[in-house]
Amino acid sequence: GIQVEQSPPDLILQEGANSTLRCNFSDSVNNLQWFHQNPWGQLINLFYIPSGTKQNGRLSATTVATERYSLLYISSSQTTDSGVYFCAVFLSGGSNYKLTFGKGTLLTVNP
Amino acid sequence: GAVVSQHPSRVICKSGTSVKIECRSLDFQATTMFWYRQFPKQSLMLMATSNEGSKATYEQGVEKDKFLINHASLTLSTLTVTSAHPEDSSFYICSAEIQGMNTEAFFGQGTRLTVV
Repeated sequence: GIQVEQSPPDLILQEGANSTLRCNFSDSVNNLQWFHQNPWGQLINLFYIPSGTKQNGRLSATTVATERYSLLYISSSQTTDSGVYFCAVFLSGGSNYKLTFGKGTLLTVNP
Repeated sequence: GAVVSQHPSRVICKSGTSVKIECRSLDFQATTMFWYRQFPKQSLMLMATSNEGSKATYEQGVEKDKFLINHASLTLSTLTVTSAHPEDSSFYICSAEIQGMNTEAFFGQGTRLTVV
């Protein structure tokens, strides 16, 4: 099946710093999503971005589908940004109708 | 975005009993819902795909008799953990997708199951 690799696995920042999280995937995909899992376990949709660039406040994401990677940018980080960030990709066709998750990046933002 | 509600958020049960977890799409119809399991400090592992009006499709290694899935309507899927054991303790999360050319998944709040 498709492989989804996220880097770095862990990241510690001081409040106000910027960061870039990366997601590499091993095959062509129909869909790519970024999620933030908060301390209570809730998965928050950040971006649905199979290709191109999107921005939402301090967050932005870019997916280069032809090169099979996506980047999540966090600017001016805040302590509330702490948590695990997951990238997940979706393949359709045949029996592969499912979302495959990377292992996540654990972000800690210190005050 | 679309809203998926999962209930209960937390449950403690005794070994040998069964527990039912509900997943509802509140403002859209979902012909397909997904159930995931997450161990501490790990990623989400897909357990099964729930299809409205038909049998669920289970991932390899997931016991279908242990984890019963029922998708009786376009807005409700349930996961029943039967004869629960302590090793079934975990975080269970459901998702539903808005069907179409571009499928975006939305997740419930998750259910933390503790079997004592």
